[in-house]
Amino acid sequence: GAVVSQHPSRVICKSGTSVKIECRSLDFQATTMFWYRQFPKQSLMLMATSNEGSKATYEQGVEKDKFLINHASLTLSTLTVTSAHPEDSSFYICSARGWRALSYEQYFGPGTRLTVT
Amino acid sequence: AQTVTQSQPEMSVQEAETVTLSCTYDTSENNYYLFWYKQPPSRQMILVIRQEAYKQQNATENRFSVNFQKAAKSFSLKISDSQLGDTAMYFCAFMKLNFGNEKLTFGTGTRLTIIP
Repeated sequence: GAVVSQHPSRVICKSGTSVKIECRSLDFQATTMFWYRQFPKQSLMLMATSNEGSKATYEQGVEKDKFLINHASLTLSTLTVTSAHPEDSSFYICSARGWRALSYEQYFGPGTRLTVT
Repeated sequence: AQTVTQSQPEMSVQEAETVTLSCTYDTSENNYYLFWYKQPPSRQMILVIRQEAYKQQNATENRFSVNFQKAAKSFSLKISDSQLGDTAMYFCAFMKLNFGNEKLTFGTGTRLTIIP
């Protein structure tokens, strides 16, 4: 149980275009989802927290107009990178916490590698 | 804000030996969790072990155990009888209890290589 998927696993897009990454909880209802960014050989940095049906809360320094997060259902959150630039190239990881889950429980997706050319 | 420091960027050890990864953290909070996560080459984050700050007893999970020193704000991970499959990045992480708004703060990671 507690499986989180991400789609796509890899994506290449041209500079100036937008790309959407999906995060799904496959066997539980995720009331809270988290989006992280990981640069090569670096740690995970939390970008934003989203609760189902409400606006995402962004961490300091993260551009909310550039990284659009939608958590429209209890099993799906999406991250859209708008007007992507090469510096947005990174590994994006989501995690999810379920309804009635203990506060420390987060289940991670396998990540999405974004390359902007 | 909380900070998590892992002072060993890379470590290597022979298969079957024991290795200890270091982690220190800085917080003024009294109620929190500490974690060790493993990220193998697949990049999938895997929870290795969890420690509640209010518990004095060190957590253990099979070959993995921690040395939690709350006063010193230290949280090291010991891997016994290391196996090739233990080769991965290991991240120490901190989570403050915050009434449903808990967030993870990760350290910079230690790249562990198990040598056959």
